[in-house]
Amino acid sequence: DVKVTQSSRYLVKRTGEKVFLECVQDMDHENMFWYRQDPGLGLRLIYFSYDVKMKEKGDIPEGYSVSREKKERFSLILESASTNQTSMYLCASIPLGKGVYEQYFGPGTRLTVT
Amino acid sequence: GNSVTQMEGPVTLSEEAFLTINCTYTATGYPSLFWYVQYPGEGLQLLLKATKADDKGSNKGFEATYRKETTSFHLEKGSVQVSDSAVYFCALDPTRDNAGNNRKLIWGLGTSLAVNP
Repeated sequence: DVKVTQSSRYLVKRTGEKVFLECVQDMDHENMFWYRQDPGLGLRLIYFSYDVKMKEKGDIPEGYSVSREKKERFSLILESASTNQTSMYLCASIPLGKGVYEQYFGPGTRLTVT
Repeated sequence: GNSVTQMEGPVTLSEEAFLTINCTYTATGYPSLFWYVQYPGEGLQLLLKATKADDKGSNKGFEATYRKETTSFHLEKGSVQVSDSAVYFCALDPTRDNAGNNRKLIWGLGTSLAVNP
């Protein structure tokens, strides 16, 4: 079974803290994604990566950065957390290649910034 | 550009009722279409997919048919159960024939379904 794991299910941080959200997948997928999910706004793409050390901005990258040093791990960094970053964060992965593939999601991290 | 529009929720049904969640899309070319489901406290998982016009995706009693003429991919189930309570997302992949470097899906906003016993 494909597995995407995220380091924490729930996280509470203070405004201004640096926050790391970790995502690991065990299926050797090339592409990995970070989304945030908010009521009424659906899923919004923050960043994605299609290879080690490669990254591209998604629709809402402001206030976030990412790191992909190993193929299986994709980290989301909030340099200075703010209350408007309180949200559910979802990581996903998908293999590279032609054909139609599904995105595999982790269970999510619910982050609260106080 | 590419977009997905799905009906707003929440949708509340009694057990054994018929379910339809509407999804329409705008895309150039020949996108693939998906329905994902998110059960409470979990991440999303693929429910069904269709890759070309007139394809019907099906899984767990749910069905959706890829209608190019109406640019729709409506989700249906004949008899819902309490365990179907979840959020349902319609999505499209506009890059069916590319090399796979850019597999960004276009997502609908999600429709929350609550099924009462």
